[in-house]
Order: sequence, then structure tokens, then C-alpha cells
Amino acid sequence: DAKTTQPPSMDCAEGRAANLPCNHSTISGNEYVYWYRQIHSQGPQYIIHGLKNNETNEMASLIITEDRKSSTLILPHATLRDTAVYYCIVRETSGSRLTFGEGTQLTVNP
Amino acid sequence: DSGVTQTPKHLITATGQRVTLRCSPRSGDLSVYWYQQSLDQGLQFLIQYYNGEERAKGNILERFSAQQFPDLHSELNLSSLELGDSALYFCASSVEDRRLYEQYFGPGTRLTVT
Repeated sequence: DAKTTQPPSMDCAEGRAANLPCNHSTISGNEYVYWYRQIHSQGPQYIIHGLKNNETNEMASLIITEDRKSSTLILPHATLRDTAVYYCIVRETSGSRLTFGEGTQLTVNP
Repeated sequence: DSGVTQTPKHLITATGQRVTLRCSPRSGDLSVYWYQQSLDQGLQFLIQYYNGEERAKGNILERFSAQQFPDLHSELNLSSLELGDSALYFCASSVEDRRLYEQYFGPGTRLTVT
């Protein structure tokens, strides 16, 4: 699986959009971008995934650049409950395991 | 609530002992995955079962073993425990193997080896 690079930490004000970047410059054509988050010591939670088109669901939006070498997870109106470690994972279509990196610790401040 | 259940929530045991962690996947999910999260290693994939068969192996020690039963629940057995085995152990499940179905994680079992 392609390696990802994320900033170790970010802060966001409550009610504002949180934009979490991820670099995956070695991504190959059959690899998807997945985002999970882990609220302190709880099990990781699936957020969203995409291949090359932008995706949106009830939790977040995923913007993937045209060259697919980077992506941004957007939480449109961050709340205190969004404070968590966010993991960007690049995963093959035929793969099953998830390879977690260090992730980004997002802290939403009141 | 992901629908994946894990028992026990906490486990404290001594070095050299053996423990069994249990996982019940979401209804209808055939794949079960085990992950270990320790302070120094982060979240690491251990092993995957699909419909009772071992499908993929990760960084699982020989002292550890797992199985998936006909009712699809899974157990992770850890033996000859060492202090370094202290960690959070997560189970996840998904609908199918080798497809891009998201994995749903349980709440984890916190193992403390003293």
C-alpha cells in the first residue's frame, strides 16, 4: 500500500470547517483513499473513501486532487465531539488489511 | 455503536499467562480482523478470517493464535504473555473479503500484563 503523510496535529474552532490534508504521492491507479478516525481509545470509525472523484456523505467530504497525489478531508462544521486522531489510508482494491500510520490529532476548541 | 462486540473490556493478567479475547462481528459480516494498538507501535493488523478460514496474516507473534467459529464469532488467544503485550486489541468486521467494504471496529479489549 502507498505511504501517506499527514501533519501530526491540527486545531480548529468549533463551528468552523476542519480541513485535514494527506499526501500520498506514490498512490497507484487501483488504490483508494480511505479516512478513519479514532476518538480517544475507542475503536476506529470509518468516515469516507474515494478513488478519484470527490465524495460527500453525512459525516464529511473528501477532495482528491486530479493527479491523486493528495487529498483533503473536510468536516464542514466541526464540533467538540470531532476531536480525534484522523487516519488517511491508501488501500488496494484487492487488499483487506488497513495499514494505519501516525494520523493527525485534530483538536476542536470551543 | 458499530455492531461489533468484544469481551472482556478490560483484562489484567500476569506475565506467562494465557488469555482469550472474544469478538462477535456485525450481523451478516463474514470477515473478522484483529488489530493491536500499543503506545510504541500504533495500530497494527494481526490477522484476518473469512467465513472460518484464515485469509491474511500480519505482524502476529507465534505466541498468538486466532480462529473463527461456525457462528462467525472469533477468538484471539494470547499465550506466554509478556509485559510488551499490554495493548488495546480491536476486532473489526466487514461484509466480504477482498472487496472495498469498510471495516467496522469494536470497542476493544484493554489488556494489561503485570
